[in-house]
Amino acid sequence: DAGVTQSPTHLIKTRGQQVTLRCSPKSGHDTVSWYQQALGQGPQFIFQYYEEEERQRGNFPDRFSGHQFPNYSSELNVNALLLGDSALYLCASSLRFRTGRNTGELFFGEGSRLTVL
Amino acid sequence: RKEVEQDPGPFNVPEGATVAFNCTYSNSASQSFFWYRQDCRKEPKLLMSVYSSGNEDGRFTAQLNRASQYISLLIRDSKLSDSATYLCVVNINNNDMRFGAGTRLTVKP
Repeated sequence: DAGVTQSPTHLIKTRGQQVTLRCSPKSGHDTVSWYQQALGQGPQFIFQYYEEEERQRGNFPDRFSGHQFPNYSSELNVNALLLGDSALYLCASSLRFRTGRNTGELFFGEGSRLTVL
Repeated sequence: RKEVEQDPGPFNVPEGATVAFNCTYSNSASQSFFWYRQDCRKEPKLLMSVYSSGNEDGRFTAQLNRASQYISLLIRDSKLSDSATYLCVVNINNNDMRFGAGTRLTVKP
């Protein structure tokens, strides 16, 4: 049973460039959430996708956008990169509705570490 | 006010010590609560859910006080392997999870 997979694991960009990060959720999960984690901080919620639509959004500018595909995989896009966008980007998958033994637990991928120079 | 606030730490304790972490949350409509553990340069993983009645899992005890919007985690008989960052997590709505900044614990021999 494959867990959450993310790609790429590491990447370096320069200011002003654009980046796309990818995530495949855990088998059987239908919801993907994206988080930004700066060094020494907790994960900050960017947005959540379910049924190919953005359902909730945290306090991030429109430069951050995403997409969910019919197979539940997801992309995070960041335009006009700033130095402050350097962080670990975590994808987490879950089941939308808590039924039976579904505790609502988030399962995280290992993250994509973005460095903006 | 931050959505989820935790003791800043770090906590440095000897093996065998008992250590407690505190957390407060601002959204009174929050639905569920968790403690996650994050090892250095790794992804967060669920440690335990937190229930109103309090719950225990081995050496770990979690408590929730909805009236005070307060969550705690108690670790008894600390082990070297407990060294990690502990993240307080609040489910705002439909798995929209908000994380605290985390409290780093180092258990020393």
